[in-house]
Formats: sequence, C-alpha cells, structure tokens
Amino acid sequence: GAVVSQHPSRVICKSGTSVKIECRSLDFQATTMFWYRQFPKQSLMLMATSNEGSKATYEQGVEKDKFLINHASLTLSTLTVTSAHPEDSSFYICSARNRRGRSEAFFGQGTRLTVV
Amino acid sequence: AQKVTQAQTEISVVEKEDVTLDCVYETRDTTYYLFWYKQPPSGELVFLIRRNSFDEQNEISGRYSWNFQKSTSSFNFTITASQVVDSAVYFCALSEFDYKLSFGAGTTVTVRA
Repeated sequence: GAVVSQHPSRVICKSGTSVKIECRSLDFQATTMFWYRQFPKQSLMLMATSNEGSKATYEQGVEKDKFLINHASLTLSTLTVTSAHPEDSSFYICSARNRRGRSEAFFGQGTRLTVV
Repeated sequence: AQKVTQAQTEISVVEKEDVTLDCVYETRDTTYYLFWYKQPPSGELVFLIRRNSFDEQNEISGRYSWNFQKSTSSFNFTITASQVVDSAVYFCALSEFDYKLSFGAGTTVTVRA
C-alpha cells in the first residue's frame, strides 16, 4: 500500500517556540493532504486541507496564523505550530490522497507534540 | 452536526468472546465511503476497511467482519474470538465528496486474558 511518512514522531518544545511537522508521501503523488489533531482520549478532528500549490483551507475554529500549512510539492506538506502553548499539546496526524483519484487517504504515523 | 456516531465508549470482553462495535452515520451524499481504523496505544492509525456506498456486501477478513446496512445508516464491525492484541481504540469514519474524514468518537476495546 501507499506509504506516508510523518516526522518527527515525538517532539517536546518550550512555550513560545515554533515546531514544524513534515508529512511526505513516499511512493505516490498527493494532490491533497489533510491535517488532523487528536487531544488525549478524544477523536480526530480535521484542522485543514492543503492542496499542492495553493493555500490551505482551514476548518472553523482553527487559527490559520497559528497553524501554518505549506504544500509546496506533490510529496510534501508541512504544518508549523507557531508560538506554541501548552494547550497546543496534542497528537497531530496527516493523511495524503493519491492524485489518481482513489477514495482512500493514507495516514502518516502521527506526531505527539508536548509544549512545556 | 455529528456525522458519525459510535454510541459505545468502552467495551470490555474476555479473550475469545466476540465483540461488535456499532457505527451510525449521517450524510446527504449518495456517494460516500465508510472506514474503520484501529488505533493501538502507540497512536498510529491502522486502516481496516473501506466500503463505498454502492457496495452493501458484507465483508469478512479473518476474525473481522463488517455489516453495512444503508437502510439503517449503519456500518457495524465485529471481532470474532477476540484476542488481547485487539485491545485498542476503534474509529469509524465517513468520507463524502470532499474526501475529508469525519470520525466518530471512537470505542475503546479492552480484551482481558
């Protein structure tokens, strides 16, 4: 199956700093990538949709200036959490959809962010 | 509005028992996809199945089986002869025309030896 690699898997950062998370599709081209967030013992919630070469579309309630998404190529999307605060501590997971139009999106391994 | 409802928050069974996880969805699209994912304690999402709205055939894969009923908007998942390794959180999800996934709240399954 298709492989999506997410890096880093875990990161601890100080409050006020920024953290970048990468999501790569290793063996297919992804026109669309999705970013989800999961707080402890909760479900996954979609944060934003990124399309290669265009601006990301954010879900209601997600601050676009805080969560910067870049999808500069067909195999890479990045999520930068700017000026992180402890309440941003969460599990962030990306998924990538194959440009050939298959319905399935493949998930990365996720990144556990802890802001101290 | 909640698109995917997993009414069971937690289920605890003894090994070798069967366990059925309920999933009810809501959509106005005629074309949609339903998914089940397993999330073990390590956190990664493990894809289990995808079913499109035009395929109501039930499916069996090893100890896993799925019952899709459009008439009741349900897509239930059964683990037969459960094992300790089945302990995880299971999510049902719906994908509509925009391919975004709407997840249910998840059901935590604990299988005791």
